[in-house]
Amino acid sequence: GDSVTQMEGPVTLSEEAFLTINCTYTATGYPSLFWYVQYPGEGLQLLLKATKADDKGSNKGFEATYRKETTSFHLEKGSVQVSDSAVYFCALNFMNRDDKIIFGKGTRLHILP
Amino acid sequence: NAGVTQTPKFQVLKTGQSMTLQCAQDMNHNSMYWYRQDPGMGLRLIYYSASEGTTDKGEVPNGYNVSRLNKREFSLRLESAAPSQTSVYFCASSDSDRGNTIYFGEGSWLTVV
Repeated sequence: GDSVTQMEGPVTLSEEAFLTINCTYTATGYPSLFWYVQYPGEGLQLLLKATKADDKGSNKGFEATYRKETTSFHLEKGSVQVSDSAVYFCALNFMNRDDKIIFGKGTRLHILP
Repeated sequence: NAGVTQTPKFQVLKTGQSMTLQCAQDMNHNSMYWYRQDPGMGLRLIYYSASEGTTDKGEVPNGYNVSRLNKREFSLRLESAAPSQTSVYFCASSDSDRGNTIYFGEGSWLTVV
C-alpha cells in the first residue's frame, strides 16, 4: 500500500546549520506531497507542498522538490533558527481518489543557540 | 479565522467513563478526520468522513464512534474509555478542490486513569 518513510529523529543542529530531513514514499500513481510542521502544544500546519513531479515547494526558507525518479521529497533549509525547533511530518495524498492523507511518523528537530 | 475548532482541550476520564470530543470547521470543507497522536507512533487515523452523511474507519477505529452531524461538525465518542486511549486527539478537515491541504485543530489532550 501507499506509505511515507522519513528519517527518525531527533535531529539536533546548531543555529545557522544546514538542514536536510529525508522523506521517501511508496505510492501507486502520482500523489501530491506535503510537509507539515507541529510546534510544541499545537496542531499540525502546512509548511509546503508540491503536486507534480519536479515541482518545488517553498515557505519560510524551507524547500522540498518532488523527485519522481527517486520517489523522494526531502526537506531542506540553508540556515536554521532556534524557532525552527518542531516536529516535521512528510505526507502524501491523491487528488480525486479519496481524501485520506498518509503521514510519516514525524522527525523531531532541536536547534541549539 | 477560526478554521478547525475542537473541544475540550484537556480532559481527564476514569476508566469506563464516556465522553465526546467535538469538532467544527468553518471552511466549508467536505472531508473531516479524527487522528490520535502518541509518542513514537506519529499520527494514526481513527475515522474520517468524506462528505456529510458518510463515515469510514481508519487505521485504529476500535473503541471509538463518530458522527458527522452536518457539513461543519464531526464528533468523536469514546463509549467506555480505557487507559490505552490516553492520547492527543486532532480533528482536521480538507477540501479536494484546494489541492488537498489538510487543516488541523489545536488538539485535545485526553488522559484516562
